[in-house]
Amino acid sequence: DVKVTQSSRYLVKRTGEKVFLECVQDMDHENMFWYRQDPGLGLRLIYFSYDVKMKEKGDIPEGYSVSREKKERFSLILESASTNQTSMYLCASRVAGDPYGNTIYFGEGSWLTVV
Amino acid sequence: AQSVTQPDIHITVSEGASLELRCNYSYGATPYLFWYVQSPGQGLQLLLKYFSGDTLVQGIKGFEAEFKRSQSSFNLRKPSVHWSDAAEYFCAVVKMVSSYKLIFGSGTRLLVRP
Repeated sequence: DVKVTQSSRYLVKRTGEKVFLECVQDMDHENMFWYRQDPGLGLRLIYFSYDVKMKEKGDIPEGYSVSREKKERFSLILESASTNQTSMYLCASRVAGDPYGNTIYFGEGSWLTVV
Repeated sequence: AQSVTQPDIHITVSEGASLELRCNYSYGATPYLFWYVQSPGQGLQLLLKYFSGDTLVQGIKGFEAEFKRSQSSFNLRKPSVHWSDAAEYFCAVVKMVSSYKLIFGSGTRLLVRP
């Protein structure tokens, strides 16, 4: 069974802290994504990685960075957390190539509260 | 630029009633279109998708969607809603440049009355 695992489901962090959100997939997928989900705004793409050590900014990359040192792991980093980064964060992965035929798989999400 | 709009933030239907969730897309050519469902506390699950061929596509859990080019729409339907269908539904389009990123609408939350 396909699996995208976000190890931290619920986090509470203080303003200014450095925050790491980890995502691991066991399907040998090349593409990995980080989305942010907010009520009324849907899912917005933060960063996309099309393979190891390769990344591309999404629609809202400000305040975030990412790391992809190994194929199975894609980390989202908040260098200095702020209250407006309180949100649900979703990781996803997909086989590269055919964007229609290759299904994108999602993790269960990480709820981050910044106080 | 490709985008999708879901005009309804919330929809409430009675159990057993029919359902239609609206999705409008903005794209010059035929887009890759998807519907996803998110149950409370869960990630997203693919319901169905469309690119070409028959404009009426069948998905999982008894859902279907119809692609209408003239209306730029890809509405999701179900003839008889079950209480377990209460969830948030997202329409999405693949951005057809470089890396084929998936772009989502703002979502429609479905509430089911007993």
